[in-house]
Amino acid sequence: EADIYQTPRYLVIGTGKKITLECSQTMGHDKMYWYQQDPGMELHLIHYSYGVNSTEKGDLSSESTVSRIRTEHFPLTLESARPSHTSQYLCASSRVFGEQYFGPGTRLTVT
Amino acid sequence: GNSVTQMEGPVTLSEEAFLTINCTYTATGYPSLFWYVQYPGEGLQLLLKATKADDKGSNKGFEATYRKETTSFHLEKGSVQVSDSAVYFCALVSSNTGKLIFGQGTTLQVKP
Repeated sequence: EADIYQTPRYLVIGTGKKITLECSQTMGHDKMYWYQQDPGMELHLIHYSYGVNSTEKGDLSSESTVSRIRTEHFPLTLESARPSHTSQYLCASSRVFGEQYFGPGTRLTVT
Repeated sequence: GNSVTQMEGPVTLSEEAFLTINCTYTATGYPSLFWYVQYPGEGLQLLLKATKADDKGSNKGFEATYRKETTSFHLEKGSVQVSDSAVYFCALVSSNTGKLIFGQGTTLQVKP
């Protein structure tokens, strides 16, 4: 059973606030990913990490930032939330390229 | 570059009907291919995979065969259930970067 957790599951926040979306996994996977999922369900990779202290931007430009200080933890931060950031955010981890385990997602609404 | 194209949805079927969701890909080399499923309110789950030409991946009654000659990986199930209602994503892993390249997703609705 894959164990990857995201908190909060739902978040409604005002414009300009700083937010951090949490993602943790207990599988010891070295690779972790953040995706943004639009209402049409399409997935966009926004950040990824292949190990501690290693992070890369994904294919979709994002104003968010990430950090990877511990293997199990890969938080995503928005310094100043805007309505255009309203979306579903999915975190994933893997040991083998392609075989990713996804968390349940955080649905973010910025008012 | 690498890309994945899926048939547009939604696909609406009656229970026990036969399911096909088409998926074709463009890639350099011989990528591994995947189908993921996303049930309502959840993250994605790996459904099945195939790593080389003519491989057949299967799980939970779903099957897909890696066809190099047609660059396809169509998902099939002989008899769908209401509980199969979900969004299905075809994907390949880039041999250059290790990143998953997803199709746009196909919504399946199964009616009793």
